[in-house]
Amino acid sequence: DAMVIQNPRYQVTQFGKPVTLSCSQTLNHNVMYWYQQKSSQAPKLLFHYYDKDFNNEADTPDNFQSRRPNTSFCFLDIRSPGLGDAAMYLCATSRGDHRGETQYFGPGTRLLVL
Amino acid sequence: AQTVTQSQPEMSVQEAETVTLSCTYDTSESNYYLFWYKQPPSRQMILVIRQEAYKQQNATENRFSVNFQKAAKSFSLKISDSQLGDTAMYFCAFMKLPSSVIQGAQKLVFGQGTRLTINP
Repeated sequence: DAMVIQNPRYQVTQFGKPVTLSCSQTLNHNVMYWYQQKSSQAPKLLFHYYDKDFNNEADTPDNFQSRRPNTSFCFLDIRSPGLGDAAMYLCATSRGDHRGETQYFGPGTRLLVL
Repeated sequence: AQTVTQSQPEMSVQEAETVTLSCTYDTSESNYYLFWYKQPPSRQMILVIRQEAYKQQNATENRFSVNFQKAAKSFSLKISDSQLGDTAMYFCAFMKLPSSVIQGAQKLVFGQGTRLTINP
């Protein structure tokens, strides 16, 4: 059963054209995370939501924004994609109340910027 | 800040062999968890095994076990009787725990990953 769903799986956009990536979850978890993973690199946390509270990582560019309209959905908005933003974007969730808790990942959206 | 290092970018073994993936980390924290996550080709990342720093006993999950050496800050993963389905990218990850109430995100710091190929 799909628990963390990301749409689309592949996204092609043009340089400078805004793009939105989508994540939904059926786990009713409080925390949702967005990671950027470039080729052969470790996933890098961009930001996360705990419930409705947004938490940005210090080195996340302003070009990246996020929205969480309800518990189930979270969006990643890239306002003006550059060539360097081409990557796999991973969404993950966790309960937010348990020591050493597992993060559950979606399959990712691979973004290509032309 | 915590750092996680995986010194083996790629490894390859024959099916049924045992393989060990290495991971070292650097932290001044005393209360933390360590994880191994597996990312198969074109599929989502899943948890393989976790270890709490306060537990001396090494974690095991079926064919997967860890060798946790806290003083050396080492956390290796051993896969016994390897199977074709074990082919994946393996990430070692560190999670710092808050000192008080657990409420909110517990962030992961990932290593660079080891690409493991199991050959028939």
